[in-house]
Amino acid sequence: EAGVTQSPTHLIKTRGQQATLRCSPISGHTSVYWYQQALGLGLQFLLWYDEGEERNRGNFPPRFSGRQFPNYSSELNVNALELEDSALYLCASSLKTGGPAGNGELFFGEGSRLTVL
Amino acid sequence: AQSVTQLGSHVSVSEGALVLLRCNYSSSVPPYLFWYVQYPNQGLQLLLKYTSAATLVKGINGFEAEFKKSETSFHLTKPSAHMSDAAEYFCAVSETGNQFYFGTGTSLTVIP
Repeated sequence: EAGVTQSPTHLIKTRGQQATLRCSPISGHTSVYWYQQALGLGLQFLLWYDEGEERNRGNFPPRFSGRQFPNYSSELNVNALELEDSALYLCASSLKTGGPAGNGELFFGEGSRLTVL
Repeated sequence: AQSVTQLGSHVSVSEGALVLLRCNYSSSVPPYLFWYVQYPNQGLQLLLKYTSAATLVKGINGFEAEFKKSETSFHLTKPSAHMSDAAEYFCAVSETGNQFYFGTGTSLTVIP
């Protein structure tokens, strides 16, 4: 069974440009999460999508946005890139099983490394 | 509010020595707790998880963690470190099973 796949693996942009990152969840998973992993800052929660809807977002400016498609794949868009947006962007998927009956396990992709020059 | 604190951003141990990585959490309800490992240039991989069953949880690669409610802790241990254990380790908490909060990570170095 294929795991979570992310593309591109690496992306180099310049300040002010836009970046689009893509994620395909594990088959059968309806929830997709996006995290930013900047050097020394751990994982910062960006966005959570489930069943095509944005369920929650972290403390990031509106230029970070995304969407989830009917096949549950997802896209993260970062507009007006700034130097501090350089980071590894991780996508994770899970079954929508939350609550006491759920196992809540996240399955991560290998990430997309965005470099802003 | 949920949060995780990992004490020690860097931990070094000798090969064969005990590994102890500390994690304290904050949660208003009984939480789900997780440890993930990240090898260089890779995504995160689940090591183990606590979901309100046994308080001592065994994971992959010889790791285990003990949930201590009174101390709000979920420390990760391994009796004998191996060179292949060198990686970044993340503790995470979830109250609902579908929103997850991660600590800032602990980088483990294993000295031969």
